[in-house]
Amino acid sequence: NAGVTQTPKFRILKIGQSMTLQCTQDMNHNYMYWYRQDPGMGLKLIYYSVGAGITDKGEVPNGYNVSRSTTEDFPLRLELAAPSQTSVYFCASSPSSGNSNYGYTFGSGTRLTVV
Amino acid sequence: DAKTTQPPSMDCAEGRAANLPCNHSTISGNEYVYWYRQIHSQGPQYIIHGLKNNETNEMASLIITEDRKSSTLILPHATLRDTAVYYCIAKARGSNYKLTFGKGTLLTVNP
Repeated sequence: NAGVTQTPKFRILKIGQSMTLQCTQDMNHNYMYWYRQDPGMGLKLIYYSVGAGITDKGEVPNGYNVSRSTTEDFPLRLELAAPSQTSVYFCASSPSSGNSNYGYTFGSGTRLTVV
Repeated sequence: DAKTTQPPSMDCAEGRAANLPCNHSTISGNEYVYWYRQIHSQGPQYIIHGLKNNETNEMASLIITEDRKSSTLILPHATLRDTAVYYCIAKARGSNYKLTFGKGTLLTVNP
């Protein structure tokens, strides 16, 4: 049971480039999330999804896009990378309302630098 | 979600119990208290959650006051590997599962 897997672990982008951060989970969780964490700060929610085909914005969605075509995968797309997007990105998943354990499972993160 | 207040940092000696406080004076009746921790450079890790009864699992114990306005996370025998930022979050169960992370408490376990 791998949990939540994120790739790549590290990436350096040039300003204006685009990339996709991959996230996959094998726990059959309906809910998935993308957070970013700037140095010394807390986590901020970028986007979330409550099931395949359904996504919604979090508190800092500008500059990002997501899709959820399957239960397992929730990729995050950065278009036209900017230095302000330099951060650590965490993907997470959680079970839906039928489960008494509402704990999130987080991936190990993607460290992105935009230069 | 109710606002939570935690001390920015705490120290604990290795092998001793670490007691991490959290105030949530405006918590509503359907809001649970969740605890997560984040070891340096890793993703946050779920620890425990509770509504009004004390809870215990293999990682920690959660003590919630009778009026539910505060709680304490207890790590019974802290080790160096417990050094991390600990987040206390008040959250209602329901269709909206988005967790909001504050700045948490940096617990440093000293040898």
